[in-house]
Formats: sequence, structure tokens, C-alpha cells
Amino acid sequence: GQQLNQSPQSMFIQEGEDVSMNCTSSSIFNTWLWYKQDPGEGPVLLIALYKAGELTSNGRLTAQFGITRKDSFLNISASIPSDVGIYFCAGSNYGGSQGNLIFGKGTKLSVKP
Amino acid sequence: DVKVTQSSRYLVKRTGEKVFLECVQDMDHENMFWYRQDPGLGLRLIYFSYDVKMKEKGDIPEGYSVSREKKERFSLILESASTNQTSMYLCASRQRAPETQYFGPGTRLLVL
Repeated sequence: GQQLNQSPQSMFIQEGEDVSMNCTSSSIFNTWLWYKQDPGEGPVLLIALYKAGELTSNGRLTAQFGITRKDSFLNISASIPSDVGIYFCAGSNYGGSQGNLIFGKGTKLSVKP
Repeated sequence: DVKVTQSSRYLVKRTGEKVFLECVQDMDHENMFWYRQDPGLGLRLIYFSYDVKMKEKGDIPEGYSVSREKKERFSLILESASTNQTSMYLCASRQRAPETQYFGPGTRLLVL
């Protein structure tokens, strides 16, 4: 079945540093989504990407839909303590699963003040 | 803004009890989903629904059933709760296109 590899699994960074994480897929996706989940809460959508090569920003966050349609990355610039959480990538296609999302295992971000 | 609400944030139930988890979305979305989330296993799809009265099994449907009598409401039912169903349950909804899912706040279920 389809799999998403998300890396790194965890990151410990200093406040003010930039962060980069990525997801790669074994197959082509038509949509890439990035979510953030705080402890005990549901995932919150950060950025949605619908076209290969698309680069989209949301404040200090920037995400790109890879040209090959098999990867995506998320950058966070000038990290702050409230960026702490787990970041998930998710992708979907129009194949047999009828557009259901495939999720990465998440990147746990810790920020030291 | 899309709003997905879940009936309970925390639930404690006993083994063998029938458990109902309710999810409501206010954006007239056609598609709704139930996931469970466990440490190390990530998000796993239990059931989904593309329309009223329609349901499809996800990856781990055993021990669960669902009901979608109205477009805005999708219920997950644990017919006879077991301790291995202790988990975080997440509901999500999306319109048919684009394929962007919005999640509820989650229900943390403990089965004793």
C-alpha cells in the first residue's frame, strides 16, 4: 500500500532557528496537506497544496508541493515556543481509495527558549 | 471557518459497554471520517462516509460501526467496548473537492 515517510521524527531547536521537515511518498499525490497537532487536541490544517511545484506561505510557514508529486516540505522560519507540537503531512490521490488521506507519522518539534 | 465538533473530549467506559461518539460539522461537507490515533501507530482510518446513509470501511473497522442519518452528523459506535479500544478518536470532514480534511478536537476514550 501507499506509504509516506516523514522526517525527521523529532527535532530539538533553539528559539529563533529555522526548521525544515519533509515527506516523501512511494506514489504520486494530487494533494499535499500539512497539519499541526497540540497535545490532547485534534490536528489543525496549516497549509494545503494542490499543484505540483506550488509554493504556499502562511505567516512564518512555507510549504512546497514537489515537482515529482512524490514529496513535500514544510519550513518554519524564526521558531517561537508556541511552534511546539507534532507536525503531520498528508497526501491524497484519486485512486482506489477515492481521495482518502495517507498520513505521515509526524515530526515532533521542541523549541528551547 | 470550518467547525467540526465532537460530543465529548474525555470518556471513561467499562469493558462491554456500548459507546457512542458523535461528530457534527457545520460546513455542509459531504464526506466525513473517523480515525483513531495511538502512539507509534499514527492516524488510522476506521470508517468513512461519502453521503447520508452511506458508509465505507477504513483500515481498521473491526469492533466499530457508524451511522450517518443526517449530512452534518457522523456517529461512531463501539458495540462492546474493549480495553484495546482505549485511544484518541478523531473525526474529520471535507467537501468533495478540494480534498482538504478538517479535524475535530478529538475524544480521548479510556476503557477500563
